[in-house]
Amino acid sequence: DIVMTQSPDSLAVSLGERATINCKSSQSVLYSSNNKNYLAWYQQKPGQPPKVLIYWASTRESGVPDRFSGSGSGTDFTLTISSLQAEDVAVYYCQQYYSSPSSFGQGTKLEIK
Amino acid sequence: QLQLQESGPGLVKPSETLSLTCTVSGGSISRSSYYWGWIRQSPGKGLEWIGSIYYSGNTYYNPSLKSRVTISVDTSKEQFSLKLSSVTAADTAVYYCARDIGGSPPGPFDLWGRGTLVTVSS
Repeated sequence: DIVMTQSPDSLAVSLGERATINCKSSQSVLYSSNNKNYLAWYQQKPGQPPKVLIYWASTRESGVPDRFSGSGSGTDFTLTISSLQAEDVAVYYCQQYYSSPSSFGQGTKLEIK
Repeated sequence: QLQLQESGPGLVKPSETLSLTCTVSGGSISRSSYYWGWIRQSPGKGLEWIGSIYYSGNTYYNPSLKSRVTISVDTSKEQFSLKLSSVTAADTAVYYCARDIGGSPPGPFDLWGRGTLVTVSS
């Protein structure tokens, strides 16, 4: 099974500043035949289900603000929030869907400094 | 607007079977190429994919739970269901149903129900 490890576990960033969350997979999630990384990012606010922000490592879901971006390939990925807003306080998860069973990272809690 | 809603008992006794249903409204389970999945979230194990089903009945399960899990679909009711047998306290979690745009392997999950807390306790 692929293990997903996020860093840091928690992060405090000032409003308007950049937030960066990392995700590392125990094996590559890049499918060579289509050159796609099978990696998604989710945002979960208290009392709510996760909401998908990004899939294929860098494709934003419809309606997601463009301050959210995803990057990386193979085993190392990053979610960046370019200018943190108060409504971005949440726990963020990465997920690999390259192989079954699909697996999630342990989550990164993002707070306002 | 497609919506998913979980329903079922919030308390299950150890060794018994957990049963949940997800009702899809605002759309049809069978008029799409999506899979429909169950995911749970517990403080100890985080987010864990349980399994997914296609409207035809084709299923994929997490191997770690496969021996105890059955997922079924009832297209006439626009519902799919989860049964988890021989539960223990470790199965206490918030259970979500979600639309699975991958299938095999599962994910990403682009629409989720609100979730339902199931506690395993005598």
